[in-house]
Amino acid sequence: DGGITQSPKYLFRKEGQNVTLSCEQNLNHDAMYWYRQDPGQGLRLIYYSQIVNDFQKGDIAEGYSVSREKKESFPLTVTSAQKNPTAFYLCASSTRGTIYEQYFGPGTRLTVT
Amino acid sequence: GENVEQHPSTLSVQEGDSAVIKCTYSDSASNYFPWYKQELGKRPQLIIDIRSNVGEKKDQRIAVTLNKTAKHFSLHITETQPEDSAVYFCAASKGGSYIPTFGRGTSLIVHP
Repeated sequence: DGGITQSPKYLFRKEGQNVTLSCEQNLNHDAMYWYRQDPGQGLRLIYYSQIVNDFQKGDIAEGYSVSREKKESFPLTVTSAQKNPTAFYLCASSTRGTIYEQYFGPGTRLTVT
Repeated sequence: GENVEQHPSTLSVQEGDSAVIKCTYSDSASNYFPWYKQELGKRPQLIIDIRSNVGEKKDQRIAVTLNKTAKHFSLHITETQPEDSAVYFCAASKGGSYIPTFGRGTSLIVHP
């Protein structure tokens, strides 16, 4: 199960607190992504980064922030501004160029009460 | 932007039957169409993909077909087995960013 890892697997926070989800990959992939998965909603893109020190908003970026200081790492912060943060969060990575497959991490289930 | 519709949302079959999941996309510039399988509690994994210059692709019991004119593509699973039970996602992307847009998923249940 190596390659791309997320920690922790389960995370519990009180409403009003910011929380940071970790994502690390050792696949030497340039691109990394964060998705949110809710039942019946599929995978919705939060942020993506195609190169170090650069990232772009996805479809549902409000209330989230990211950084990409290292190629291997793409942490996601869920801020108190996110209205409904309880969800399953998936990180993914891919190469750039002719290989398009995304490799997913095991996910972090965040519960905010 | 791209919009991907996936149907059905739930599909229940008997072991040995065939299963078909259909997706439509809106952006005619999309040229790469992957399918991911997500077993319960696991991460999504690519099971098959197709590029726009190909009409059909097979890999053992699974196949994908693409109709560029109608902008739809389908996943076909033959001789289904209980271990095929999972959520299947289709996606579409295009050259440049290759950022995929995913469908909402189909929960396939294969009854022994």
